[in-house]
Amino acid sequence: AQSVSQHNHHVILSEAASLELGCNYSYGGTVNLFWYVQYPGQHLQLLLKYFSGDPLVKGIKGFEAEFIKSKFSFNLRKPSVQWSDTAEYFCAVNANSGYSTLTFGKGTMLLVSP
Amino acid sequence: DADVTQTPRNRITKTGKRIMLECSQTKGHDRMYWYRQDPGLGLRLIYYSFDVKDINKGEISDGYSVSRQAQAKFSLSLESAIPNQTALYFCATSDATRTGSYGYTFGSGTRLTVV
Repeated sequence: AQSVSQHNHHVILSEAASLELGCNYSYGGTVNLFWYVQYPGQHLQLLLKYFSGDPLVKGIKGFEAEFIKSKFSFNLRKPSVQWSDTAEYFCAVNANSGYSTLTFGKGTMLLVSP
Repeated sequence: DADVTQTPRNRITKTGKRIMLECSQTKGHDRMYWYRQDPGLGLRLIYYSFDVKDINKGEISDGYSVSRQAQAKFSLSLESAIPNQTALYFCATSDATRTGSYGYTFGSGTRLTVV
């Protein structure tokens, strides 16, 4: 079974600072990787995904993530955060087997101060 | 209308009561899932169903049961609610052929409080 580890539980940044949220997964085979965002009081929305091809994937709202297979990592980045990026971010993985379910990390709460 | 609809949105119930959370979808997806979210623990899978005749236990199924009444409907029951089942519950769906490519679609959640 797969597992996901997110490095930071809470991150506090000032507006315009750069963001990098760490995510590592554990699984011996081919995986699909996702980042979801949950704004306060809302449901999860897909930020970006990787399932094959270019390991650098771009998502909505200026976010990007890089899949580094040798490091089992899928870190989320944004060059310049905004106050509106305040939210909880979840990394998730499923095995590329057709019958796998999505396993989530414990989440990182990002607070951006204006 | 939302693609994945959960009812109720909020519910307060007493310990020992039976409660059902409902989920319906208009995505036409084969697969449906129930997760619970607790602060600091992320989302954990309770039950999932890959089609109408398929029901599977997830990571934390004890104390819960489910019913897949139709392709579009997947309900979660707490047979005898207890306070540590207080959580935010999410239903999700995915396409059997595109789960990897498109991920899951989530409902808006049901906030359940057991007192």
